[in-house]
Amino acid sequence: GAVVSQHPSWVICKSGTSVKIECRSLDFQATTMFWYRQFPKQSLMLMATSNEGSKATYEQGVEKDKFLINHASLTLSTLTVTSAHPEDSSFYICSARRGSNTGELFFGEGSRLTVL
Amino acid sequence: GIQVEQSPPDLILQEGANSTLRCNFSDSVNNLQWFHQNPWGQLINLFYIPSGTKQNGRLSATTVATERYSLLYISSSQTTDSGVYFCAVEPYSGAGSYQLTFGKGTKLSVIP
Repeated sequence: GAVVSQHPSWVICKSGTSVKIECRSLDFQATTMFWYRQFPKQSLMLMATSNEGSKATYEQGVEKDKFLINHASLTLSTLTVTSAHPEDSSFYICSARRGSNTGELFFGEGSRLTVL
Repeated sequence: GIQVEQSPPDLILQEGANSTLRCNFSDSVNNLQWFHQNPWGQLINLFYIPSGTKQNGRLSATTVATERYSLLYISSSQTTDSGVYFCAVEPYSGAGSYQLTFGKGTKLSVIP
């Protein structure tokens, strides 16, 4: 079964509004989670590394003021797309490592954002 | 940064046929994973295989880390195998970043 869960799966919003996406690790604690973005028919690109209790680390070219990441607990990271615009429409996927003795990453179901 | 190249980009198979997908990477890696992305977008873990060979049912994978490539074998393909197959690697580092770099994927279509 799933080990990482995302919510919502689909969201449609108006331009200028903010949208929050949740990523939860199920039955395990994740001190680090990762947020990826995927445009249609393209590969996944790492956006940021979410660290529990500290600031997220953003990849080059990712606006930290637009994509706010909060990792307030060991099982929850949130990505908030602020003042969304149509070009922010994309598929957002989070991932986490289950256990400290493995490097294997598991991914959530993804959240498809459409900004009108 | 590390480069990950997958081939072929597209593959069409008759049901029951076998196939081999390839992943080349440009530098040493801590981690290599194969995923199947289903039509709804979810990434399904297939193999965690930084080196060696693993098998799971009709699927198997081999990574030759010293030569910087990995192969995914699909035998007796079924229509449900259709989708995009991604190879993703974590570049080598002492501490381990656990950040994956993805290839562009192989789109597999299995026809009845």
